[in-house]
Amino acid sequence: KAGVTQTPRYLIKTRGQQVTLSCSPISGHRSVSWYQQTPGQGLQFLFEYFSETQRNKGNFPGRFSGRQFSNSRSEMNVSTLELGDSALYLCASSLEMREPLMFGELFFGEGSRLTVL
Amino acid sequence: GESVGLHLPTLSVQEGDNSIINCAYSNSASDYFIWYKQESGKGPQFIIDIRSNMDKRQGQRVTVLLNKTVKHLSLQIAATQPGDSAVYFCAEVNNAGNMLTFGGGTRLMVKP
Repeated sequence: KAGVTQTPRYLIKTRGQQVTLSCSPISGHRSVSWYQQTPGQGLQFLFEYFSETQRNKGNFPGRFSGRQFSNSRSEMNVSTLELGDSALYLCASSLEMREPLMFGELFFGEGSRLTVL
Repeated sequence: GESVGLHLPTLSVQEGDNSIINCAYSNSASDYFIWYKQESGKGPQFIIDIRSNMDKRQGQRVTVLLNKTVKHLSLQIAATQPGDSAVYFCAEVNNAGNMLTFGGGTRLMVKP
């Protein structure tokens, strides 16, 4: 079956702009999580959605937002881009994200590489 | 392939040798841990997990050891192969089970 699909794979923006990234989870998966990966901070949790509801949010400013649609596809948006937002943004999907934990069934996409100039 | 440019500790091993990758975690209340492998240009891939009621868990060529006393995890890879070259991350799972906290990662390089 198709894996987690993230678009676009690469994009370049300038400071002050905004960006929207898209994630299509594996068919049937209802939970979508987003992570930011940078050289300085490593992998950091942004948010997790399940059935269109944000269930958890990481320690990021309000410029970072997301949403999930009824078909489980998810988007994240970053407004007023800063140089430090340059990163690889990873999306992960799973059937569920609750006990019994099924992290063996958590699959990551290849990411969207954002460069802010 | 794409590199995330991480400034990571690097472990260099000879093909066929065993590799040991270490990780320290911070939350003594964490009770579920996972090791991920990330190859260049790809997202993290699940390798093996372990719960805090276990000290050791084995998979295919991989073993995870958990020492709760010193909050330390290790990943052992037997007979390391060139395809094992990647960045390896440990991760803690939060109590709600919907968030991962990743360690800084270790780059494994396998010399043929």
